[in-house]
Amino acid sequence: DTGVSQDPRHKITKRGQNVTFRCDPISEHNRLYWYRQTLGQGPEFLTYFQNEAQLEKSRLLSDRFSAERPKGSFSTLEIQRTEQGDSAMYLCASSFEAGAASYEQYFGPGTRLTVT
Amino acid sequence: AQKITQTQPGMFVQEKEAVTLDCTYDTSDPSYGLFWYKQPSSGEMIFLIYQGSYDQQNATEGRYSLNFQKARKSANLVISASQLGDSAMYFCAMEAGNMLTFGGGTRLMVKP
Repeated sequence: DTGVSQDPRHKITKRGQNVTFRCDPISEHNRLYWYRQTLGQGPEFLTYFQNEAQLEKSRLLSDRFSAERPKGSFSTLEIQRTEQGDSAMYLCASSFEAGAASYEQYFGPGTRLTVT
Repeated sequence: AQKITQTQPGMFVQEKEAVTLDCTYDTSDPSYGLFWYKQPSSGEMIFLIYQGSYDQQNATEGRYSLNFQKARKSANLVISASQLGDSAMYFCAMEAGNMLTFGGGTRLMVKP
C-alpha cells in the first residue's frame, strides 16, 4: 500500500532561482491538491486538480507559481524567481471524489523549501 | 468564506486521561464536512476523523470522537486514554467548495 509521495523532501535554493516539486498521489485517486504551510500555521489551499484539469486556484497562487497534472496522475508545482517569502512546507494531498460524496484527503510528507 | 478557529494554541494532558481540543467554524454553505488531522514533528498530516454536516450521530474512530454541535458551530475532538505518541499538532479543517480550510492548530503535549 503506497501513500502519497513527494519529491524532494527538502530543497534549499537561492533567491531568484526556479524550483519544481513533484507529487505522486494514491493511484486510484482522481483529485490532487496542493497546500502551503508556513511555520506555526495551518496549511493553506493553493490549487486542486480533478484528473488532469486544474479546477480551482487560490489567490495565494501568484503568477510565479504554476501547477500541472498532465496525465491525471502525478503533479508538479513550479515556483519561478523564488523569494524568501516562498519558504514554507508544500503539501500535496489526494482523494477520491464520486458525485456529491466527499472523502478524506490523504497527505504526503511535504517538501520543505528554504529560500536563502 | 469559510473560517476555522482553534482557540487553544497549546494543551497539556496527563497520560491515560482524556482531553478535548476545541474547534469552531463559520460557513454559509449548508453542506460541509469537518475533519481533524494530526501532524507529528515529522510533518505528515494524518487523517483522524470526519463528520458530515448532515450526520445525525457524532463520529467515532477508536480513541477519537468528534463532539459535533451544529447549532453552536463547534466540532471538538475528544481523545480518550491519551498516549505519549499523541503528542503532536492537531488541526481542525472544514471542506466546503472542494478545498480544505484549516484552523491554526493546537499543540498537544502528553505528560508521562
